[in-house]
Amino acid sequence: KAGVTQTPRYLIKTRGQQVTLSCSPISGHRSVSWYQQTPGQGLQFLFEYFSETQRNKGNFPGRFSGRQFSNSRSEMNVSTLELGDSALYLCASSVRGFNSPLHFGNGTRLTVT
Amino acid sequence: DQQVKQNSPSLSVQEGRISILNCDYTNSMFDYFLWYKKYPAEGPTFLISISSIKDKNEDGRFTVFLNKSAKHLSLHIVPSQPGDSAVYFCAASRYNFNKFYFGSGTKLNVKP
Repeated sequence: KAGVTQTPRYLIKTRGQQVTLSCSPISGHRSVSWYQQTPGQGLQFLFEYFSETQRNKGNFPGRFSGRQFSNSRSEMNVSTLELGDSALYLCASSVRGFNSPLHFGNGTRLTVT
Repeated sequence: DQQVKQNSPSLSVQEGRISILNCDYTNSMFDYFLWYKKYPAEGPTFLISISSIKDKNEDGRFTVFLNKSAKHLSLHIVPSQPGDSAVYFCAASRYNFNKFYFGSGTKLNVKP
């Protein structure tokens, strides 16, 4: 079974620009979550999508948004980029059942200059 | 609001010995706990989990212990191998609430 696929692996953007990150979940997984990892920090929850609906949201500004398509693929968008948005963005999929672990992709490394 | 904490940023262990990684949490509503391993330039890989109805779960060389009264969990790796050198994250969630809280990670170095 193919794992979680994230594209692109690396991105360099300038302050004020916007960016879209893509995630393809494991086949059969309908829940997709996004996390941000910055140096010295654990993973911070951004949001979760299930059946094309946002189910949970973390404490991030409205510049961070996402969506999920009918095939469970998900995109995350960050508008008006700030230097502090430089981070590793991780996508994870799960079956969203009782006690189901997250399975992560390799992430997109975003650098904002 | 750091609800899951890993107070040791790093740990160094000799090959063949036991590695013990610790994690504390503050939210008594958490009932599902996991450990992940992360190598550089890769995403976290799921290692082992435990639900709050248990106090121990084993999978090969990996054992997770849960002490609900102390709000503490630990991961034991026996015997430790050089390939275990990675950053380990603990995570927790509430029942039927697919939002996970992660610790800041412990970097394990297993010396040959």
